[in-house]
Amino acid sequence: EPEVTQTPSHQVTQMGQEVILRCVPISNHLYFYWYRQILGQKVEFLVSFYNNEISEKSEIFDDQFSVERPDGSNFTLKIRSTKLEDSAMYFCAGGPPFSDTQYFGPGTRLTVL
Amino acid sequence: AQSVTQLDSHVSVSEGTPVLLRCNYSSSYSPSLFWYVQHPNKGLQLLLKYTSAATLVKGINGFEAEFKKSETSFHLTKPSAHMSDAAEYFCVVSDRAYKYIFGTGTRLKVLA
Repeated sequence: EPEVTQTPSHQVTQMGQEVILRCVPISNHLYFYWYRQILGQKVEFLVSFYNNEISEKSEIFDDQFSVERPDGSNFTLKIRSTKLEDSAMYFCAGGPPFSDTQYFGPGTRLTVL
Repeated sequence: AQSVTQLDSHVSVSEGTPVLLRCNYSSSYSPSLFWYVQHPNKGLQLLLKYTSAATLVKGINGFEAEFKKSETSFHLTKPSAHMSDAAEYFCVVSDRAYKYIFGTGTRLKVLA
């Protein structure tokens, strides 16, 4: 059964550094999402992406964040200059056409020191 | 705006006894509702989904949920808990733009 994959599983970075979190969604999916979960808090929506552009973004998704689907298979989340409060688990998800069901990856744990 | 409230942050049950995880939702229209499970160090796995076709929804691993519009509830149940059910469970509502709004999660502990 196809799965969403995310790399790396754990990323440690220094405050102010750029990070890129990578996701490979299931191949026939058209809708893509990033969510994050700060330790002990609920899962929060960051951004949705469809047809090579952002469909919706939350207030968390400020100018430090960007998303890209560079090659038709990978879906990336870039944080330009990380802050301590960006430490969280980041989940990628994808959805097939005409469906609101999302399939999640295992997550990347980002630790900002 | 949509929201979900998971009424219990932790639930403990003995193996072989029923499981009830409670979820209430708020939505201005007929919602799509989901339950996801997260095992330690794993991603979020879809357990089941409600989309108005039937009020009782059967999911994987023996779980089911009943949509009750009058009570705005979508509680998750299982007749007999197994040790492997120990995990965190999330109730989710989808808005019209397919964005997910998560509940705060319920951690299920299964006692031997």
